[in-house]
Amino acid sequence: QVQFVQSGAEVKKPGASVKLSCKASEYTFSRFGVLWVRQAPGQRFEWMGWINAGNGNTRYSQNFQGRVTITRDTSANTVYMELRGLTSEDTAVYYCARDSDSPFDYWGQGTLVTVSS
Amino acid sequence: QSLLTQPPSASGTPGQRVTISCSGSSSNIGSNSVYWYQHLPGTAPKLLFYRNGERPSGVPDRFSGSKSGTSASLDISGLQSEDEGDYYCATWDDSVSGWVFGGGTKLTVL
Repeated sequence: QVQFVQSGAEVKKPGASVKLSCKASEYTFSRFGVLWVRQAPGQRFEWMGWINAGNGNTRYSQNFQGRVTITRDTSANTVYMELRGLTSEDTAVYYCARDSDSPFDYWGQGTLVTVSS
Repeated sequence: QSLLTQPPSASGTPGQRVTISCSGSSSNIGSNSVYWYQHLPGTAPKLLFYRNGERPSGVPDRFSGSKSGTSASLDISGLQSEDEGDYYCATWDDSVSGWVFGGGTKLTVL
């Protein structure tokens, strides 16, 4: 069964950066892309970006361009998402998900990021 | 702003049929496939349908999805208590070159 295990909850101060990890298993990592989305309290899911796990190409949402970087480590079957310049509005649960024949066909369990002074 | 609109809530009794709608525009649903996700309490979201109405293996045939024009719908027949949770539609939006999601519909089984 395809699985994604995400890193643990984070508490950050405004202006800081956060780097989350998403470890994939039970499929050939380099064959598919990985997407990142987030869900702030009471809000809809918001797409952040995508990475081709094979060649490392990325695509980012206009809403996060310049503030987010998605990378991958093929030796560790892991994708990373770094978000900079955090504000309270970045408080959300962040999810990674696979992009195969269908986008978001398998999801991680989510990571809560809380931004508070 | 590119938005997909869903009713905030839906409900039914066990065995009933429930329909959840997702309304968009020509730049999203009107020109791209719709995907549906189920998010049950305490679990990771799960893909219910891809490419408008294709059901992944393991999804019961009580669930069906369709699209017409700039709207899509998710039908759940034979409602069961374990269906209780949040349901989201999603699609690509050409105007923002990104994935967009509906606001989610909270399904309650009475």
